[in-house]
Amino acid sequence: QSVLTQPPSVSGAPGQRVTISCTGSSSNIGAGYDVHWYQRLPGTAPKLLIYGNNNRPSGVPDRFSGSKSGTSASLAITGLQAEDEADYYCQSYDSSLSVVFGGGTKLTVL
Amino acid sequence: EVQLMESGGGLVQPGGSLRLSCAASGFTLSNYWMHWVRQAPGKGLVWVSRINSDGSTTVYADSVKGRFTISRDNAKNTLYLQMNSLRAEDTAVFYCAREDDNSGWSHFYGMDVWGQGTTVTVSS
Repeated sequence: QSVLTQPPSVSGAPGQRVTISCTGSSSNIGAGYDVHWYQRLPGTAPKLLIYGNNNRPSGVPDRFSGSKSGTSASLAITGLQAEDEADYYCQSYDSSLSVVFGGGTKLTVL
Repeated sequence: EVQLMESGGGLVQPGGSLRLSCAASGFTLSNYWMHWVRQAPGKGLVWVSRINSDGSTTVYADSVKGRFTISRDNAKNTLYLQMNSLRAEDTAVFYCAREDDNSGWSHFYGMDVWGQGTTVTVSS
């Protein structure tokens, strides 16, 4: 049982927009800790996709965007492409100073 | 090139010990907090432990507290994870990752560089 809750799976057709939610609580996201998103392609290490709630590292396409409100956060992917098929994880901190991850969401491009 | 490279994984019997290493290159390790994160087969990412820049502060997940010890040698640009009293449920790929120590109280920067992982299998 992960501290942050994500849907197990989402899907969309090429070109469509999908969103992945990440629900926390007042002891983590709601406490003001920033939310980060990672993409894990099959057989590769996790890659930082969004940091500080809504910032993209250099090289990440602007099709990816993040937002945060209250105790939740969301990752949006527009113009869906086949290479976006991967597992996505949200991450934040908890007031116990532990790192918390979501359970991960498998994105399928139809 | 900025890189992290884990080593030290392998097959160990329940109750045994392993020491993982994470060698950093292309950047100065002492400017970063460091983390260990694991992924069991078919499961998601699970945070294990973190250590601050100078090694004076460590934090552990409840599942490994008292069994695992994180440490670092900034002079050698290397992070370690000593794992004792290993259990079958510790079987996973272990990743090391860095976080900029300028992240502030809200931990703004996230884990921006990850190693490729080292596999730990606990089985008799």
